[in-house]
Amino acid sequence: EVQLLESGGGLVQPGGSLRLSCAASGFTFTSYAMSWVRQAPGKGLEWVSAISDTGSSTYYADSVKGRFTISRDNSENTLYLQMNSLRVEDTAVYYCAKDPSPGVRGNVWFDPWGQGTLVTVSS
Amino acid sequence: DIQMTQSPSSLSASVGDRVTITCRASQSISWYLNWYQQKPGKAPKLLISGASSLQSGVPSRFSGSGSGTDFTLTISSLQPEDSATYFCQHSYNIPLTFGGGTKVEIK
Repeated sequence: EVQLLESGGGLVQPGGSLRLSCAASGFTFTSYAMSWVRQAPGKGLEWVSAISDTGSSTYYADSVKGRFTISRDNSENTLYLQMNSLRVEDTAVYYCAKDPSPGVRGNVWFDPWGQGTLVTVSS
Repeated sequence: DIQMTQSPSSLSASVGDRVTITCRASQSISWYLNWYQQKPGKAPKLLISGASSLQSGVPSRFSGSGSGTDFTLTISSLQPEDSATYFCQHSYNIPLTFGGGTKVEIK
């Protein structure tokens, strides 16, 4: 069974940093691209970032470009999201999700998703 | 960026009703369109990929159609467990974007 387990969320002040982790199991992690998607409280879904199977290619939404960094450790089957210069508007549940192919191209969908980790940016 | 517009934003229907949700892209996205179901407090679940490919384990009352800019998700006979919010998502290019969601309630 494919499982994704996020961790690392919490309360942080504006301007602060946080690192999210997503532990993957039940599939060959090294063969798939991975993504982060977030959902602000009571709001819709926003794609945040994606990374190819080897980590050689990364992609970001404009809203986080220059502040967030996606990475992966294929030896540990773990996906990361380093979040710096956090803003109040970054408050959301952050989900990691598996992409259907090694690269972020063609039809990209998210399946499955982790249970999410809540990031709250507030003073 | 490609904008995805869903309609309606919410609907209320009876068990057994046929329900149709529309998703419109701001430019042609071919068939690069996916649908998700999200229940309160849960992660989204993929229902349909590539506009019309039903995912394994998803009930056959769900179907998707469309290409280009206009897409639909249809529930042929609404069931109580279908009460949820539904999102469309394109993957034609980066950034990937989602529709605003359609909340489906049971009368």
